[in-house]
Amino acid sequence: AQTVTQSQPEMSVQEAETVTLSCTYDTSENNYYLFWYKQPPSRQMILVIRQEAYKQQNATENRFSVNFQKAAKSFSLKISDSQLGDTAMYFCAFMKGNTGNQFYFGTGTSLTVIP
Amino acid sequence: GAVVSQHPSRVICKSGTSVKIECRSLDFQATTMFWYRQFPKKSLMLMATSNEGSKATYEQGVEKDKFLINHASLTLSTLTVTSAHPEDSSFYICSASRGSYNEQFFGPGTRLTVL
Repeated sequence: AQTVTQSQPEMSVQEAETVTLSCTYDTSENNYYLFWYKQPPSRQMILVIRQEAYKQQNATENRFSVNFQKAAKSFSLKISDSQLGDTAMYFCAFMKGNTGNQFYFGTGTSLTVIP
Repeated sequence: GAVVSQHPSRVICKSGTSVKIECRSLDFQATTMFWYRQFPKKSLMLMATSNEGSKATYEQGVEKDKFLINHASLTLSTLTVTSAHPEDSSFYICSASRGSYNEQFFGPGTRLTVL
């Protein structure tokens, strides 16, 4: 079975500063995908970034980047130049490599950006 | 592209009645759809996975006779909460995956309140 752990239930960061959200996972699979989703107060799930396990290069999307450590089974999200609109719940998710497979979600981290 | 809608966005019903929630992929064919339940400030809990034209696969602990899932076409899946009770009140989210693209696209969710 796959498990995803987010050890930080709540975090806060000053506007324009950088924050890192942690995520670890446990799996025996070799082919898988990792995701970070953002859920703002509207509760719409929004994809922030995804990482293919076979790629060594860390994924980046504008202000968002990940630190993917496959051997350590760690997948942290770094948000640079934090903005007020980044305030949301952030979920780390794992998916096995075959298509149509389910997501395994972490428990989430509530991030608040302070003006 | 890859838009998923849910209808209704919010529903209030009396205890003992049945409620149907629709999930539609608007601009792609969804080979697999997923139904999640989310309690306040909690993670998404997978209820079931459905493939078009076949019976849904329910997660352990989810009553298949209470939460009826139909995936009649590649663009529509429905979740019917039968004989609803106040404890069924929750936020229900669907997601859809397409073809060989390893990602899920989430609907905006439906808030169900059972009085």
